[in-house]
Amino acid sequence: DIQLTQSPSFLSASVGDRVTITCRASQGISSFLAWFQQKPGKAPKLLIYAASALHSGVPSRFSGSGSGTEFTLTISSLQPEDFATYYCQQLNSYPLTFGGGTKVGIK
Amino acid sequence: EVQLVESGGGLIKPGGSLRLSCAGYGFIFSNAWMSWVRQAPGKGLEWVGRMKSKAVGGTIDYAAPVKGRFTISRDDAENTLYLQMNSLKTEDTAVYYCTTVWLGYYDSEWGQGTLVTVSS
Repeated sequence: DIQLTQSPSFLSASVGDRVTITCRASQGISSFLAWFQQKPGKAPKLLIYAASALHSGVPSRFSGSGSGTEFTLTISSLQPEDFATYYCQQLNSYPLTFGGGTKVGIK
Repeated sequence: EVQLVESGGGLIKPGGSLRLSCAGYGFIFSNAWMSWVRQAPGKGLEWVGRMKSKAVGGTIDYAAPVKGRFTISRDDAENTLYLQMNSLKTEDTAVYYCTTVWLGYYDSEWGQGTLVTVSS
């Protein structure tokens, strides 16, 4: 199975900060990676697919990059509504797997 | 607008069975690939399984922890996806979400989830 390791598991930041989250895969997954945002008590929302493509309706301050085994999610200027938990997911092979999550908290 | 509505969750004793349903609206259900994803209380997301549309064979893949105990099925006439869960364990306690699969890969739309609690 492909393991995904997210770092950090928690970060605190201020509104306006640039935030970067890393997701490392235990083996190459090409660009078959997605990023999700989840707020407490709510279902996850797809932000980024194919490692770097912005899903419909997602603000342009979100961006994704990477291929192979290392990927990043960047929020260029953190907004109040962005405080949430973020997950990566690999779609390269079954079983599909998620990273452990990164909680973005208020500094 | 795509809408997914899960139902069927509840409290069940270890070893018991439960069937979850996911009703889909606002899209052509028979063409859709569908997934189940779960989240234990206070924990991260865990993929459960995925079913392709019958047009491409209706293939189903499962995560190892549920393989042999859980069965995904669909009734395209009723626009409904099912998750039959047998031999339930306490570690199956979670919110269960159904999703639609976009571009053959990505879980793009999610239901609100249904809580399954396995406890004696």
